[in-house]
Amino acid sequence: RKEVEQDPGPFNVPEGATVAFNCTYSNSASQSFFWYRQDCRKEPKLLMSVYSSGNEDGRFTAQLNRASQYISLLIRDSKLSDSATYLCVVNHLVAGNMLTFGGGTRLMVKP
Amino acid sequence: NAGVTQTPKFRVLKTGQSMTLLCAQDMNHEYMYWYRQDPGMGLRLIHYSVGEGTTAKGEVPDGYNVSRLKKQNFLLGLESAAPSQTSVYFCASSSTGIEQYFGPGTRLTVT
Repeated sequence: RKEVEQDPGPFNVPEGATVAFNCTYSNSASQSFFWYRQDCRKEPKLLMSVYSSGNEDGRFTAQLNRASQYISLLIRDSKLSDSATYLCVVNHLVAGNMLTFGGGTRLMVKP
Repeated sequence: NAGVTQTPKFRVLKTGQSMTLLCAQDMNHEYMYWYRQDPGMGLRLIHYSVGEGTTAKGEVPDGYNVSRLKKQNFLLGLESAAPSQTSVYFCASSSTGIEQYFGPGTRLTVT
């Protein structure tokens, strides 16, 4: 079983739609949680951190459920520019603060 | 301020050849990482460094060596390339190990 699992998609949605991605992680000792965004043939970039209380950044909302070891990302009012792969990432507080990446969920927003 | 740079951007090697990938960062970060990204596998950590002169193994270190002689540079070496090492290689750096900044990647093909 992969340590961080995501539905690979693709999710094809029209502009203006609301779309939600889910992610599960297997290591209960995971300390920090993130969503990264990766455009086609580009490097990953941090989108937002995920906190137990939930957090929002504009059209993006992230939620963490530690009991279920589940992370979600909600995108409201999708834009064409949101088309990308979204990577669920967890961090373990071991030497080097290693990040473990999920395989990514591909989103395609269409006109 | 260039952030994280990687050279070369592309390379084709024959089986058994050697090469070194260079990563440079100008953000004075302590932590540096090398990942590989393969379709369906997500990013996997090869080696990392928590400071100048230190290196440690990640999830998939076999067939690779690294050196961190200067704080700003992290080198990844392939001594005898194999087709299984065909991949996209990303370098990243971080001040805390939590938020990581990635370079643009190196696309390596081993024939």
